[in-house]
Amino acid sequence: DAGVIQSPRHEVTEMGQEVTLRCKPISGHNSLFWYRQTMMRGLELLIYFNNNVPIDDSGMPEDRFSAKMPNASFSTLKIQPSEPRDSAVYFCASSFWGSGNTIYFGEGSWLTVV
Amino acid sequence: QKEVEQDPGPLSVPEGAIVSLNCTYSNSAFQYFMWYRQYSRKGPELLMYTYSSGNKEDGRFTAQVDKSSKYISLFIRDSQPSDSATYLCASLADRGSTLGRLYFGRGTQLTVWP
Repeated sequence: DAGVIQSPRHEVTEMGQEVTLRCKPISGHNSLFWYRQTMMRGLELLIYFNNNVPIDDSGMPEDRFSAKMPNASFSTLKIQPSEPRDSAVYFCASSFWGSGNTIYFGEGSWLTVV
Repeated sequence: QKEVEQDPGPLSVPEGAIVSLNCTYSNSAFQYFMWYRQYSRKGPELLMYTYSSGNKEDGRFTAQVDKSSKYISLFIRDSQPSDSATYLCASLADRGSTLGRLYFGRGTQLTVWP
């Protein structure tokens, strides 16, 4: 299995630009999670989907952040406009709901907003 | 209060030492308990997984859960330099409004020196 695939791995962008992060979950998994990791706050859940439907987006920091899951094999996390405080590692993770909830992470997208 | 509390360390031990990593949690609905290991610039990977109270052993690693005190532990015997990583505890509820949401501790950075 290829695992959870994220792109881009690294992105440097200027403040005010739109950033789109992409995720392909493990085939057959029906839950998808977006996390953000920083030194100060650790790993924070931003949003998660079950069967392509957003279940809990209470972790999305503000309206500049949005996430979509148009089908079972693809999800995006968008930041518009980006700000320097958005600099972090963004992880996508997936699981099969009901399997005992083993969650598998991608390698992360390292975002720097200057 | 965060749902899962973990001392971020850092923790530095000599090779061969026994390492004890600990977390506490606050939600009585948590039934699934996990330890993830994260190497530098990588995504977290599942290391140990337990359901409810008790011990689980896997090679040099032992996970322990005490639900009466809401305490989660990971023990590493005969620690090796390759164990140097950040260790994150995580908990998941099996019921209620937080069902499906995995809560992470901040992570403890461990260094095992030769």
